[in-house]
Order: sequence, then C-alpha cells, then structure tokens
Amino acid sequence: SAVISQKPSRDICQRGTSLTIQCQVDSQVTMMFWYRQQPGQSLTLIATANQGSEATYESGFVIDKFPISRPNLTFSTLTVSNMSPEDSSIYLCSVDGVPDTQYFGPGTRLTVL
Amino acid sequence: GENVEQHPSTLSVQEGDSAVIKCTYSDSASNYFPWYKQELGKRPQLIIDIRSNVGEKKDQRIAVTLNKTAKHFSLHITETQPEDSAVYFCAALADRGSTLGRLYFGRGTQLTVWP
Repeated sequence: SAVISQKPSRDICQRGTSLTIQCQVDSQVTMMFWYRQQPGQSLTLIATANQGSEATYESGFVIDKFPISRPNLTFSTLTVSNMSPEDSSIYLCSVDGVPDTQYFGPGTRLTVL
Repeated sequence: GENVEQHPSTLSVQEGDSAVIKCTYSDSASNYFPWYKQELGKRPQLIIDIRSNVGEKKDQRIAVTLNKTAKHFSLHITETQPEDSAVYFCAALADRGSTLGRLYFGRGTQLTVWP
C-alpha cells in the first residue's frame, strides 16, 4: 500500500485564522480524498481532489471554506479558512489504491480556540 | 446516494469469543465493501474487503460475508483478543456517475474485548 504523510500532525489555532494541511503520497495516485472526523464519529467526506480539475465538494462543504489544491499526482492541500471552534476535528486525507481500495494518512488534529 | 447502516454501535465480548458486525447498504450498484479498523488516535486501517462477485472472504481470524440480494455484509472475528479492541467501520463504494470512487461509511462499531 502507499505511504501517506500529512503535515502538520496537530495544531492549535486562533479563531479567524486559516490552516493549510498537506498530504503527500510516495506514489502517483489518481484520486485523493479529504475527510473530517469528529471525536467518536464516523468519517465525513469533505471533497474529492483529482489532478488537473476542480475538487468535487460534498453537500455542506464549500470551496470558500475548504479550498483544495492538487498540483500533481502525489500531493494535495486542504485549507481550513476563517476557522471557528466548530472546525476543531481530525482531518484525514486518503488515496485510492488498485483497485478501489482507499488508504488513509495519519491525520491532522486541529484545535481552534 | 448510497446509505450504509451499521450495527451494533458498541459490542463487548470476552476474549476468545466471536464478534459479528453487520452492515446494510441501499444502492444495488455498489460493488466493493471494505472494512476498516481504527485504534484510538490512529488512522483507519483496511483489514479486509470483498467485491460483489464473491460471497465470502477469509483472512486468518477475520472473515467477511456478502449477501447481494439482501444488500448486507458482515464482519466476523473469531477467537477475539484484547488487541482486537477498536472501532470498526464498514463502507460501500459507489460505482456510478459523479460519485465514482466515493466510499460511504457506516457509523462505526466500538468493539471491546475483555481479557
């Protein structure tokens, strides 16, 4: 399976600021996904990021709040903009394997004060 | 879109006993069903998966069964050990249109294995 890293692993931020989370994978992948996981909850898909096209956002998530970049086949970023305490969560990226499988990065634990 | 229901939400078993977690899905076009194990503070890890052309798959102490007609699939863990304690998520892969490649997750089952 692919080796996936995320930066930062955790951060504490002030409300109103923005944080950019990086996801790096050691091999080229077609699809990258960004999830949010609240404590004790399931995984909620924020958006799907394909290289060379705009990210596809799920209902309840908008580009202005969660802009995503996918400059190449091994890297993606998710920005959490104008943060509020409600954005405190774990953010995970995942990548598609062959075939159909998805593998997750280690996650970024975000706390907004 | 796809809807995945998972039961039970919590499950406690004695070490050595078996554990079964059940999921149902709504979209008959879904054709891939992975199971993930998430230990506290860790990432979800793929532990087993099954495709719609197979009825059962086994890997040592874990097995997954799929009933396409009834649209349900189950995870079976035999001879449970304390290290099996974790949250388990089932998922179904959408295979149509704009949702191609998207996984729909169940709400998770907290499994506790008591020594």
